[in-house]
Amino acid sequence: SQQGEEDPQALSIQEGENATMNCSYKTSINNLQWYRQNSGRGLVHLILIRSNEREKHSGRLRVTLDTSKKSSSLLITASRAADTASYFCATDAGRDDKIIFGKGTRLHILP
Amino acid sequence: KAGVTQTPRYLIKTRGQQVTLSCSPISGHRSVSWYQQTPGQGLQFLFEYFSETQRNKGNFPGRFSGRQFSNSRSEMNVSTLELGDSALYLCASSFGGYYGYTFGSGTRLTVV
Repeated sequence: SQQGEEDPQALSIQEGENATMNCSYKTSINNLQWYRQNSGRGLVHLILIRSNEREKHSGRLRVTLDTSKKSSSLLITASRAADTASYFCATDAGRDDKIIFGKGTRLHILP
Repeated sequence: KAGVTQTPRYLIKTRGQQVTLSCSPISGHRSVSWYQQTPGQGLQFLFEYFSETQRNKGNFPGRFSGRQFSNSRSEMNVSTLELGDSALYLCASSFGGYYGYTFGSGTRLTVV
């Protein structure tokens, strides 16, 4: 069963614009992670935010976490064609050290 | 350093056959997890191994099994293949939950 649910399911934006994806989850977590997957390939770990953190940055990525609303957002600034991919949030509830993925947001950057 | 290596990359099998997929984790990573990815169900957790012990198991039938060796390499086996087993099988390794997972490129299994 999915713990995280990304929104929107698909997003198309012009190159240079910012892209925002959201993730909602159901139970308390130890941390939340974001991954990127290029078509049919393995997932690439982007960023991990712990439950006691509210915001984290990595290059053009900004992740926020609101544990009271059980939600997270991933912002990609100044998007590039290479950002075209599917983005997944994954939650780690910590009890058994496994992470559960949402169904992902398909991001398409238009030239 | 070398990433997570999965072999083979592609596989075509016939219904009823069995298949074994292999995963070599990043050196030093003792946790290895397996996921099945399909367009309809997304990423589904299969199982996780740590130091040769299965720590967690997802909601898959007993036809799906795995093991981990003393060098942390892992294999998963699917017996009596069904058409619905066609999927991308991903392996991920980690130091532990706070460090994120490193994924292999996956094995694409097609059952005909």
